Amino acid sequence: DAGVIQSPRHEVTEMGQEVTLRCKPISGHDYLFWYRQTMMRGLELLIYFNNNVPIDDSGMPEDRFSAKMPNASFSTLKIQPSEPRDSAVYFCASSLGTVRYGNEQFFGPGTRLTVL
Amino acid sequence: GNSVTQMEGPVTLSEEAFLTINCTYTATGYPSLFWYVQYPGEGLQLLLKATKADDKGSNKGFEATYRKETTSFHLEKGSVQVSDSAVYFCALSDRETSGSRLTFGEGTQLTVNP
Repeated sequence: DAGVIQSPRHEVTEMGQEVTLRCKPISGHDYLFWYRQTMMRGLELLIYFNNNVPIDDSGMPEDRFSAKMPNASFSTLKIQPSEPRDSAVYFCASSLGTVRYGNEQFFGPGTRLTVL
Repeated sequence: GNSVTQMEGPVTLSEEAFLTINCTYTATGYPSLFWYVQYPGEGLQLLLKATKADDKGSNKGFEATYRKETTSFHLEKGSVQVSDSAVYFCALSDRETSGSRLTFGEGTQLTVNP
């Protein structure tokens, strides 16, 4: 399996522009997670899905952020409008079954977003 | 709520030195415990895990034992290599309250010099 696939790997945009990050989870996995990593705040969970349904979006920082999972093999995280403080590395992860009982989350390589 | 506290970094060691990275946790239920590792420019990957008290997780020479009495899951390796340089994250999943999410510690940067 190719693992979790994220695109683009790097994104540089200007403040106010819309940014869309994409994720393809591992085939057959039923959980998908979006994280953000910064030096200041560390690793933060933004939202996660189970069977394409959003379960917990309490980590989404504000209305400028939205996430969708139209099918089991694709998810997007959109920022509109983007701001410099959104600059971070965004990770997508997936798992087969819940991590409650020790199932592993598999992380993608991340998208490094820079908002100028 | 749930929380994970890791020893402050960064940690710098010479090759073949002994490594300990401390991790303690607070959880309302009976968590599963994990160590994830992040190599430069990559995503996190699972290093080892333990799902119940007194379990020992091990992988690539690293070990950690789930100690319920001290609420700890310290990571150890007897002889580190330059290739072990990375950021290490302790994490937990609480079966009772947190659903399917992981709670991560702040991460510990390890640098191993030749």
